[in-house]
Amino acid sequence: EAGVTQFPSHSVIEKGQTVTLRCDPISGHDNLYWYRRVMGKEIKFLLHFVKESKQDESGMPNNRFLAERTGGTYSTLKVQPAELEDSGVYFCASSRGTGGSYEQYFGPGTRLTVT
Amino acid sequence: LAKTTQPISMDSYEGQEVNITCSHNNIATNDYITWYQQFPSQGPRFIIQGYKTKVTNEVASLFIPADRKSSTLSLPRVSLSDTAVYYCLVGRGSGGYNKLIFGAGTRLAVHP
Repeated sequence: EAGVTQFPSHSVIEKGQTVTLRCDPISGHDNLYWYRRVMGKEIKFLLHFVKESKQDESGMPNNRFLAERTGGTYSTLKVQPAELEDSGVYFCASSRGTGGSYEQYFGPGTRLTVT
Repeated sequence: LAKTTQPISMDSYEGQEVNITCSHNNIATNDYITWYQQFPSQGPRFIIQGYKTKVTNEVASLFIPADRKSSTLSLPRVSLSDTAVYYCLVGRGSGGYNKLIFGAGTRLAVHP
C-alpha cells in the first residue's frame, strides 16, 4: 500500500508570505496528525483529525496556522503570514487508531524555510 | 503523559547487539511503551510497542521489567543502516486517540 505522502518536500518563502502544505494519508486511515520540528528542538504535536473533524488542536502555535481536512481524506496546513520562527520540518502521520495502539505512519516531511 | 529519559547518543559496531534503555519512573497503569526510529530526512517509523515483559518482532525486542519503570530496546546484530535516532515514548491509549510526545531520542551511530 502507498505510504503517507507530503507536498512539497521543501518550501522556501519570505516572511509575511503564505504557504500551504499538503498531506495525503494512507487510504482508509481515519486519523491524521500534524507534527513539526523546529531547528534544534524536539518533534512537537500540532493537531489531530478524526476523519474531517479536529479532535485535538492543542499544539497549534497560534492563529496563523490553519489546518483543514475536507472530506476526511487529504489535509492541508496553511501558514499565513509566515514568520521566521515557523521554519522547520512539518510531518504528517496517519493511523487506523484503535485502543492502545501507538503505531502511526509518518510521511517524509516538508522542510519549510522562512527567510 | 510520562516523561522519559534515554541516553543522548550511543556508538556501536556492525554485528553487535545494541541495547538502549529508557527510564520512565512515573509511568501510569494504563500507559504503553513505544519505540520509534528516525533516519535523516525521513519521518519517524514505528518499531515496537509493549506493556510488560518481553515483546519481539522481526526488527527488535523490547524488555520491560515487572515495575515498568524502565524499558530496553534491543537491536540484534546491527548494521550500518541501523544508524538513526531512536525515540522512547510512553503514553496512554484512549478511544483510538494517541498523540505522540517525542523526547530528544538516542542517536545511535553504527561503525564498520
